[in-house]
Amino acid sequence: EAQVTQNPRYLITVTGKKLTVTCSQNMNHEYMSWYRQDPGLGLRQIYYSMNVEVTDKGDVPEGYKVSRKEKRNFPLILESPSPNQTSLYFCASSPLEEETQYFGPGTRLLVL
Amino acid sequence: DAKTTQPNSMESNEEEPVHLPCNHSTISGTDYIHWYRQLPSQGPEYVIHGLTSNVNNRMASLAIAEDRKSSTLILHRATLRDAAVYYCILRGFGNEKLTFGTGTRLTIIP
Repeated sequence: EAQVTQNPRYLITVTGKKLTVTCSQNMNHEYMSWYRQDPGLGLRQIYYSMNVEVTDKGDVPEGYKVSRKEKRNFPLILESPSPNQTSLYFCASSPLEEETQYFGPGTRLLVL
Repeated sequence: DAKTTQPNSMESNEEEPVHLPCNHSTISGTDYIHWYRQLPSQGPEYVIHGLTSNVNNRMASLAIAEDRKSSTLILHRATLRDAAVYYCILRGFGNEKLTFGTGTRLTIIP
């Protein structure tokens, strides 16, 4: 089944403890992206990648890192999480030049 | 990015058509109009998109005004499973980025 998977789905952590949220897609898509969703603010793009080893900042990249070593994986790294990074995170992917983006199920993160 | 304006919320009766409006008065000639929806506790899901002509697919229809400054997403026969937040998004040609607003929360009344 074609899908975007995220792990973990739920995570509670403490300030300053490094964490990684994984994103994987099995559709051979070039484009991948991370969004965060906060009440009243909608979804905002954090980082995106047009292909392997090609990443760029979105609208709210501060406090996040990403890597794209393989086409299927696009992990989101929080080196030193802070409470303002408590949010619902979504990964998305799409082929270049296609109109549809496919979203993962989301990862709910709570930073204490 | 050009901005879209949608009502915060709408209600509709089950099995009746639903018309969800979107205003985008600053749309440029190369902007596509996309609609996504987000069901409770799920990620956004693509619904439909168009450029100038009206579009139909298995999920919905998209009616685009002649001047392209507004559009309407039409669900022909709403079911309870259509209860979701619907986002109208403008996406430039060749631009992969989706800029989400706050959308319209659609409630379906049984």
